[in-house]
Amino acid sequence: QSALTQPASVSGSPGQSISISCTGTSSDIGNYKYVSWYQQHPGKAPKLMIYDVSDRPSGVSNRFSGSKSGNTASLTISGLQTEDEADYYCSSYTTSSTIVFGTGTEVTVL
Amino acid sequence: EVQLVQSGAEVKKPGESLKISCKGSEYSFANHWIGWVRQMPGKGLEYMGVIYPDDSDTRYSPSFQGQITISADKSIHTAYLRWSSLKASDSAIYYCARHVNPTMRKNGMDVWGQGTTVTVSS
Repeated sequence: QSALTQPASVSGSPGQSISISCTGTSSDIGNYKYVSWYQQHPGKAPKLMIYDVSDRPSGVSNRFSGSKSGNTASLTISGLQTEDEADYYCSSYTTSSTIVFGTGTEVTVL
Repeated sequence: EVQLVQSGAEVKKPGESLKISCKGSEYSFANHWIGWVRQMPGKGLEYMGVIYPDDSDTRYSPSFQGQITISADKSIHTAYLRWSSLKASDSAIYYCARHVNPTMRKNGMDVWGQGTTVTVSS
């Protein structure tokens, strides 16, 4: 099972909106609504930001939103803030009955 | 507070065995799938496998099948990850994490342990 494909880096200025793509196949993203997004700051454990494509856990800012079209999922961060600078990973359930993560995207706030 | 607390850092030699732990508190531990995730130095996240503590139903990702053993003891709210013979390439941070919905293992993981650093070196 190959990792989902994400851009290595995305950047934006404070207040802007950015989107991170996550491309899979019909064996994962294209076949299920079980796409999640995680934020990871250096030296910290990942934090769940989005699950089931577009649901936000309690306590996660509504500046974070998720969507999916075909084999590609996206995470959008609106009103970019300095504390959003982190690595972001997508994940999806797969037809192999396991979960696969994306390659990871480093978000930089300029 | 709902949390997962993992055992401390380990330094081992190649060929040695190791079992690390993950203890849950303040939620129904038996009824949430617990996954294990590897993060090698400077690299991304890899899903290793998952266990349902109530009946110890366990699934492994193909890349890790046969390399590790996942177990749980629901009576003490603890999940485990075990290696019988470590390799240098097993050096990584290992996280346990709770799947967000009770009885489901397909969706996201909302509670994470702090991570256990395993170093394997001769």
